[in-house]
Amino acid sequence: DIQLTQSPSFLSASVGDRVTITCRASQGISSYLAWYQQKPGKAPKLLIYAASTLQSGVPSRFSGSGSGTEFTLTINSLQPEDFATYYCQQLNNYPLTFGGGTKVEIK
Amino acid sequence: QVQLVESGGGVVQPGRSLRLSCVASGFTFSSYGMYWVRQAPGEGLEWVAYISHPGSNQYYADSLKGRFTISRDNSRNTLYLQMNSLRAEDTAVYYCAKPTAGSPPKELDYWGQGTLVTVSS
Repeated sequence: DIQLTQSPSFLSASVGDRVTITCRASQGISSYLAWYQQKPGKAPKLLIYAASTLQSGVPSRFSGSGSGTEFTLTINSLQPEDFATYYCQQLNNYPLTFGGGTKVEIK
Repeated sequence: QVQLVESGGGVVQPGRSLRLSCVASGFTFSSYGMYWVRQAPGEGLEWVAYISHPGSNQYYADSLKGRFTISRDNSRNTLYLQMNSLRAEDTAVYYCAKPTAGSPPKELDYWGQGTLVTVSS
């Protein structure tokens, strides 16, 4: 099974900051990676797919990059509504797996 | 608009069974493979199972070891998850989710609100 390791697991940031979250895969997954945002008590929301393609309706301050085993999610100019937990998911093969999550909190 | 509505959760004793349902609307259900994902309280997301659009192929998380069965009824636009021999560690919110179009596996663009399963004596 492919393991996904996210780092950091927790980060504290201020409104306006640039934030970067990393997701590392235990083996190459090409660009078969998605990023989700989840707020407390809510279902996850798709942000990015195919490692770098922004889902329709998602603000352009979100961006994704990477391929193979290392991927990043970047949030430029963090907004109050961005404080949430972020997950990566590999879609290279079954069983599909999620990273452990990165909680972004207000500093 | 796409809607996914789960039901069937509740409190169940260890070793018992439970069947979850997810009624879909707003898209051609029979054309999409579907997924179940779960989230234990305070924990991260865990992919549970996938079923192909006609129902002929299923994939499961290794940890389930044959206890769970995903199925669907395309005539009723309904996805199911049969959960047997339930354990305390199966306690979670269970989400059904729809993927984007294209050859699976695909990212999940719509999710239900989730249904809570609590396994406790």
